Amino acid sequence: DTEVTQTPKHLVMGMTNKKSLKCEQHMGHRAMYWYKQKAKKPPELMFVYSYEKLSINESVPSRFSPECPNSSLLNLHLHALQPEDSALYLCASSQELGNRWPYNEQFFGPGTRLTVL
Amino acid sequence: QKEVEQNSGPLSVPEGAIASLNCTYSDRVSQSFFWYRQYSGKSPELIMSIYSNGDKEDGRFTAQLNKASQYVSLLIRDSQPSDSATYLCAVNVPIQGAQKLVFGQGTRLTINP
Repeated sequence: DTEVTQTPKHLVMGMTNKKSLKCEQHMGHRAMYWYKQKAKKPPELMFVYSYEKLSINESVPSRFSPECPNSSLLNLHLHALQPEDSALYLCASSQELGNRWPYNEQFFGPGTRLTVL
Repeated sequence: QKEVEQNSGPLSVPEGAIASLNCTYSDRVSQSFFWYRQYSGKSPELIMSIYSNGDKEDGRFTAQLNKASQYVSLLIRDSQPSDSATYLCAVNVPIQGAQKLVFGQGTRLTINP
């Protein structure tokens, strides 16, 4: 299995809702990532987990809350989002976090397209 | 200066020709370089990665790296209409004792039949 899966594919939520995005990989990768991508822009890193511990938080607002329940799963909990948070949310994984090529090659899931009303 | 710079295009190439995509980066300590292809509405797909100076070939794709000039490129030979996509250059840079990928703005490539 060489895939990263994400659910749901699409999500529409109001500003007062609480929802969660899920990501799963079965490649034995120990680093997992959340990115946000707006239209016609490159992906922007939000969070990085390495061996189930949060390694990088790119100063993301607290209305986004990541969680890594085990080495295969990554969640992103959403609460009180703003319309400007509407974007494609991408999960990625790599064998490890760091500068050791090719173990740092990142593979992306299909993404969750989020619309905040 | 942006950390990773690409010509945003659009770059238009006739079918069967060679498409050449270029990228420069600012952090001299970067050691790993990646090219992703992203179709409209889809997620980025890793197509090439390179670590050593020189050329790396995989099928119709060749990645070229010149660390002295801080330059990485992607050549696509025998371009096909299915190669029409946005190509993202990404560079591994140090952050907070770890590493992260920094992406260029992407080059939109159109292959004309």
